[in-house]
Amino acid sequence: QKEVEQNSGPLSVPEGAIASLNCTYSDRGSQSFFWYRQYSGKSPELIMSIYSNGDKEDGRFTAQLNKASQYVSLLIRDSQPSDSATYLCAADASGGYQKVTFGTGTKLQVIP
Amino acid sequence: KAGVTQTPRYLIKTRGQQVTLSCSPISGHRSVSWYQQTPGQGLQFLFEYFSETQRNKGNFPGRFSGRQFSNSRSEMNVSTLELGDSALYLCASSLGLVQNIQYFGAGTRLSVL
Repeated sequence: QKEVEQNSGPLSVPEGAIASLNCTYSDRGSQSFFWYRQYSGKSPELIMSIYSNGDKEDGRFTAQLNKASQYVSLLIRDSQPSDSATYLCAADASGGYQKVTFGTGTKLQVIP
Repeated sequence: KAGVTQTPRYLIKTRGQQVTLSCSPISGHRSVSWYQQTPGQGLQFLFEYFSETQRNKGNFPGRFSGRQFSNSRSEMNVSTLELGDSALYLCASSLGLVQNIQYFGAGTRLSVL
């Protein structure tokens, strides 16, 4: 069973701080990685996708991928109370189109 | 451009009944995936359809089935409902190629009594 693992949290950070969310995956053949944000009672919405080793930045968000360590992370700079949500890490399955495995999510709380 | 539309938004059923959920993907998207989300198990992959063919399947019993129509709309059916089937069912659509991003609908919340 291929897995994506995340710390369930909650991760509490003060407003304005950097929030660091981490994820590991077991399928060495995974090529595509995604971070989704899910507010309580809502559906997941995509924040970032990353396919190559290294960093990818989009506004206050930076995704980092290390395929050798099978590790993906998401950094949120200048955290805002509106960032409080559950963050889901996902990886595609090797050889399987659109078969995506999700982690159970990390709950982030940004304290004003 | 309209997003992914799921109907109905809420359903209440009793054990033993069956239920059909519907998903209309984003225009031009040919892939539809279904997920079950529960507090304890997170998001679990059910199956994925592409051009009317089931391309991938998760580890769910045969009571869970689906289909996709020529206009890419998809339905999911659950027969002989059990209490444990109570969950949020999410549909996601994409272009269906490698590295394509999935976009989620609002979900159907199913309660089995």
